[in-house]
Amino acid sequence: SQQGEEDPQALSIQEGENATMNCSYKTSINNLQWYRQNSGRGLVHLILIRSNEREKHSGRLRVTLDTSKKSSSLLITASRAADTASYFCATDASAAGNKLTFGGGTRVLVKP
Amino acid sequence: SAVISQKPSRDICQRGTSLTIQCQVDSQVTMMFWYRQQPGQSLTLIATANQGSEATYESGFVIDKFPISRPNLTFSTLTVSNMSPEDSSIYLCSVRLGGNQPQHFGDGTRLSIL
Repeated sequence: SQQGEEDPQALSIQEGENATMNCSYKTSINNLQWYRQNSGRGLVHLILIRSNEREKHSGRLRVTLDTSKKSSSLLITASRAADTASYFCATDASAAGNKLTFGGGTRVLVKP
Repeated sequence: SAVISQKPSRDICQRGTSLTIQCQVDSQVTMMFWYRQQPGQSLTLIATANQGSEATYESGFVIDKFPISRPNLTFSTLTVSNMSPEDSSIYLCSVRLGGNQPQHFGDGTRLSIL
């Protein structure tokens, strides 16, 4: 079964708005990684946040991690049409043999 | 990070045939993985490709169906054997440079079986 569960499954926003998506997981993790996938292509790595970190930023992206709640969030600020994609979280957990386990993904549509 | 070249990028195949997908990395990596992404779904790990030994397969995947080679630290192949329409998916190669490091993906191979 998937370690990470994401919500919402789909998100539609206007250009310029912020988009927030959440990821919950079940076991202790070493790190959690967020990816973007455009239209069925390969995955682009966005951010890795380690278990001892609480927040990381990269450009318009902000990721938080709450290990007590076993959850993470990805915030995209000032969204653009080019941010339209599917976003996946993936956990790296010792219990899973240090292999990435993916959530179901959030499909984000940014309307111009 | 690593640059991963995967080919072919897409193919349309007849049922019953086999296709080999190649993955080339621009640096030596210890950890290399193959994933499958069925239409509209998330990614599922097929196997870990081990250099110099047999791949380690996840539950639900077997070597006869998905034979994997890993002759060196920069290259791997995945074969999808005796294909059926249910094998229509995107197959992705992935590498990790170290223990607590990002895992990177190739552009994937979009496979359609008629």
